[in-house]
Amino acid sequence: SQTIHQWPATLVQPVGSPLSLECTVEGTSNPNLYWYRQAAGRGLQLLFYSVGIGQISSEVPQNLSASRPQDRQFILSSKKLLLSDSGFYLCAWSVRTAGPSHLYGYTFGSGTRLTVV
Amino acid sequence: GQNIDQPTEMTATEGAIVQINCTYQTSGFNGLFWYQQHAGEAPTFLSYNVLDGLEEKGRFSSFLSRSKGYSYLLLKELQMKDSASYLCAVREGPYGTDKLIFGTGTRLQVFP
Repeated sequence: SQTIHQWPATLVQPVGSPLSLECTVEGTSNPNLYWYRQAAGRGLQLLFYSVGIGQISSEVPQNLSASRPQDRQFILSSKKLLLSDSGFYLCAWSVRTAGPSHLYGYTFGSGTRLTVV
Repeated sequence: GQNIDQPTEMTATEGAIVQINCTYQTSGFNGLFWYQQHAGEAPTFLSYNVLDGLEEKGRFSSFLSRSKGYSYLLLKELQMKDSASYLCAVREGPYGTDKLIFGTGTRLQVFP
């Protein structure tokens, strides 16, 4: 069965420090991978998605970057964190679709709660 | 542009029925999802609609009207554990990219 791992679960970082969040998927090949952020009381905002190794699409301009060095590994990074980067970060994966099916919904990791102080 | 609207909060009583509405305007449409998210946890899949009509799944049902850009999630026989946020999401883009665009979510509180 497929599983998705995301770590760490919580993180408190000072302003200006770097960030690296990691997400890995097991039990599947060639997944689509996604990073979302959820600010307190807000909806999920799509930050990045990837359809393959080294292929990253950015959805919103921001202080963050993403990389996919391996098929089932997705990393979210920042060189210098801002206060506004605080939030709940969720990694997700989906099967690459060829048509409509509920099987192609997302499965989310357990999330990382980042507080920038 | 993209716009997905849901009520911010709803309250209901245990055992009752509640309907959570979602309206959307997106540049593409390849299906609509409903997710449940308990506080501090990741969202979990509830339902999926790609054709007009009602999909029933136990106590939960979801309806879609593509011409109206409208969906609702119906929760029957409410239980205390149904207190959570309910997220409406539209799958945009061509098959293969599968971006899900989420609404802000509806926080449902169930009272005894």
